[in-house]
Amino acid sequence: ETGVTQSPTHLIKTRGQQVTLRCSSQSGHNTVSWYQQALGQGPQFIFQYYREEENGRGNFPPRFSGLQFPNYSSELNVNALELDDSALYLCASSLAGGPSEQFFGPGTRLTVL
Amino acid sequence: AQSVTQPDIHITVSEGASLELRCNYSYGATPYLFWYVQSPGQGLQLLLKYFSGDTLVQGIKGFEAEFKRSQSSFNLRKPSVHWSDAAEYFCAVGPRGTGNQFYFGTGTSLTVIP
Repeated sequence: ETGVTQSPTHLIKTRGQQVTLRCSSQSGHNTVSWYQQALGQGPQFIFQYYREEENGRGNFPPRFSGLQFPNYSSELNVNALELDDSALYLCASSLAGGPSEQFFGPGTRLTVL
Repeated sequence: AQSVTQPDIHITVSEGASLELRCNYSYGATPYLFWYVQSPGQGLQLLLKYFSGDTLVQGIKGFEAEFKRSQSSFNLRKPSVHWSDAAEYFCAVGPRGTGNQFYFGTGTSLTVIP
């Protein structure tokens, strides 16, 4: 059984640029959620994807967008990067349809200069 | 407003001592409840979960947690801490009826001294 994987591990961008982060869900999981974890904080829910559609969104602006592909992998895109976007971005996969734990990937560390 | 509170930002315990980490939540109905652990630079690992039924749940690494509806709490405990338990601990809630969208507390950092 393959766990959740994320790429890249680390990324450095400058303000105003755009970034794409990638996530492969755990085998058999059909739902992917994205979280932002700022330094010293708990993860904050960005959005969730199920059946290739957004299925819930936290308090993040539209410049945070995502995709889910038929194989359940997912991308997080952030446009017009700001300094405050510097954080660890976590992807989690789960099974839809009832109470289910989320399995987290190791995260992508994004630094915006 | 919905919230998850972990009142202790940082806790230091001696190796072999007992541990209790606090978590309180504020939601309209009892949510699904979780404890995760995060080592430096790593993702989150699930320690235990509560969906329904027995209010005392057992998890991995010798951890347990007790759900108390009257206090809206889900405190994490371990009878004897090991040096390898030093990490950041997060309580999370998943409101029923919203799929698997989790909300996390701000975390408790655990230091273990020999």
